[in-house]
Amino acid sequence: QKEVEQDPGPLSVPEGAIVSLNCTYSNSAFQYFMWYRQYSRKGPELLMYTYSSGNKEDGRFTAQVDKSSKYISLFIRDSQPSDSATYLCAMKGAGGTSYGKLTFGQGTILTVHP
Amino acid sequence: DGGITQSPKYLFRKEGQNVTLSCEQNLNHDAMYWYRQDPGQGLRLIYYSQIVNDFQKGDIAEGYSVSREKKESFPLTVTSAQKNPTAFYLCASSPWSSGQAYNQPQHFGDGTRLSIL
Repeated sequence: QKEVEQDPGPLSVPEGAIVSLNCTYSNSAFQYFMWYRQYSRKGPELLMYTYSSGNKEDGRFTAQVDKSSKYISLFIRDSQPSDSATYLCAMKGAGGTSYGKLTFGQGTILTVHP
Repeated sequence: DGGITQSPKYLFRKEGQNVTLSCEQNLNHDAMYWYRQDPGQGLRLIYYSQIVNDFQKGDIAEGYSVSREKKESFPLTVTSAQKNPTAFYLCASSPWSSGQAYNQPQHFGDGTRLSIL
């Protein structure tokens, strides 16, 4: 079993839809949770960065972390064709993993069609 | 603009050949990382470096080597011992201060795609 599981999709939605992307994980030591967006042939771009449980909102994006369920989500409101990309969840612990090693999900391919 | 520059964008390797991928950053970050990305597998850590002249193996270091002679540069060599080198290679960096790297996000370059001839 992988430490981080992410549905690879692909996910196809119409413009304006609300998109929900999710990851589950098994390592209870994870404390920091990230979502990256990756366009084709480009490097991942940091979208959201959260610590422990709770919600964080930035424009059309909302990140949720539920540590009790070991489940994180990214919501995209009013999705646009420019949101079409691969979305990667990533997470890391603290203390013992002090070099900041990230563990990534497989990535979800999202297409928003006009 | 500050950022991470990887070169070349595309690289081809012949059998038995070593190739070196370049990574340069002007973000003044202490820590640098190399990842490999294969379809459907996410990113896997190859090597990382916290400070100049020091580096550590990641999860899949076999067949790779690195050096860190300057803060700004962290080149990756894919040796002939790496039997399946075809992949997308990503370099990242993050701040590092008194072991606080765990609360600093990593930022990525735009990658090098390596293929076998």
